[in-house]
Amino acid sequence: EDQVTQSPEALRLQEGESSSLNCSYTVSGLRGLFWYRQDPGKGPEFLFTLYSAGEEKEKERLKATLTKKESFLHITAPKPEDSATYLCAVPKNYGGSQGNLIFGKGTKLSVKP
Amino acid sequence: NAGVTQTPKFQVLKTGQSMTLQCAQDMNHEYMSWYRQDPGMGLRLIHYSVGAGITDQGEVPNGYNVSRSTTEDFPLRLLSAAPSQTSVYFCASSYSFSAINTEAFFGQGTRLTVV
Repeated sequence: EDQVTQSPEALRLQEGESSSLNCSYTVSGLRGLFWYRQDPGKGPEFLFTLYSAGEEKEKERLKATLTKKESFLHITAPKPEDSATYLCAVPKNYGGSQGNLIFGKGTKLSVKP
Repeated sequence: NAGVTQTPKFQVLKTGQSMTLQCAQDMNHEYMSWYRQDPGMGLRLIHYSVGAGITDQGEVPNGYNVSRSTTEDFPLRLLSAAPSQTSVYFCASSYSFSAINTEAFFGQGTRLTVV
């Protein structure tokens, strides 16, 4: 069964304390892995797409990496404004088409000043 | 640039009432979908559409109906509201269902409470 698991469920950091969020997946024929950010009371907002093992993408203090079984979202020197829930998603296998996204339950990140 | 617009933002229903959650996008996207988000459950797909006139069920379709008469609109209908349908509902759209590398854009959500 296609599945996405994120860990930890919640993470509390001090401002400037770097860390990583994990997303592991079990889906055949991966056609991309998506990272989203969700602020309270709002819809998810797209951050990154990764397609192949070894690929990396960066945006400000965030860097996403991908292996054959998991992805990491590295947060370097976080600031309080990075506090949000980070969601990971992969497309369900539809015989080569992208199909619908399967989401993990998310990691709630809190960054204290 | 409005993106994906959902209305209403908040709604309280009594058990057994029906209502329609509205979703509209102005990006000429082929693919639209509805998710519900519950604490500890993550986002779960209710229904989706790959184009006008074409809809299909997702993971949790029971109690909901959809239709897609235009590219822009994808309303979600609750036939007879139940307390188990208390949730936050998100509409999403993306350029194509079949092409890869198509990010999804989400609306701001509708918070529904059924009493």
